[in-house]
Amino acid sequence: NAGVTQTPKFQVLKTGQSMTLQCAQDMNHEYMSWYRQDPGMGLRLIHYSVGAGITDQGEVPNGYNVSRSTTEDFPLRLLSAAPSQTSVYFCASSSGQGRAFFGQGTRLTVV
Amino acid sequence: SQQGEEDPQALSIQEGENATMNCSYKTSINNLQWYRQNSGRGLVHLILIRSNEREKHSGRLRVTLDTSKKSSSLLITASRAADTASYFCATDAKGYSTLTFGKGTMLLVSP
Repeated sequence: NAGVTQTPKFQVLKTGQSMTLQCAQDMNHEYMSWYRQDPGMGLRLIHYSVGAGITDQGEVPNGYNVSRSTTEDFPLRLLSAAPSQTSVYFCASSSGQGRAFFGQGTRLTVV
Repeated sequence: SQQGEEDPQALSIQEGENATMNCSYKTSINNLQWYRQNSGRGLVHLILIRSNEREKHSGRLRVTLDTSKKSSSLLITASRAADTASYFCATDAKGYSTLTFGKGTMLLVSP
């Protein structure tokens, strides 16, 4: 019962470095999305995808890129990490019209 | 911007008591969902209520939705210490599970 798998669980980056947060789901869901959660806040939508090859921006897309080449995978790329991107990142998937399934999160610190 | 706003921000009760949390939102929705999060870990889906539903039950949970007032409430009956967590409402406007979260209610249930 893998569900939504995020890697890595923890990451420390230096300002200006780039990295990719991985997200994979094994439920054949069309819809996938990335959120970030800052202290004392709810989750905010970064990017989402409604199917392979189709992505769109959410509320806070700046500094992040996504692509969706397969149904299963939806990686999030940080182009040039900044301290303001220190956060916990959650990936989610859904079949649409229903509940979202969330990964366990990636805790990212940018120093 | 955060669509949903939970009230209260924090709630402290004794085991066996009922806990009520409220959520208000701003725009029309497809559905509204409630999630639980323990200490910054992953999100656990509790219940989903669609825009054409007024009330829904799941075990000790009761959710109501008033679309005319753009508000929802979550009632947890006979609370247990294990219910201690943060609770978030999330609205889905598009039906893609691109959720807009509130800031959450921190619930503390004391033995």
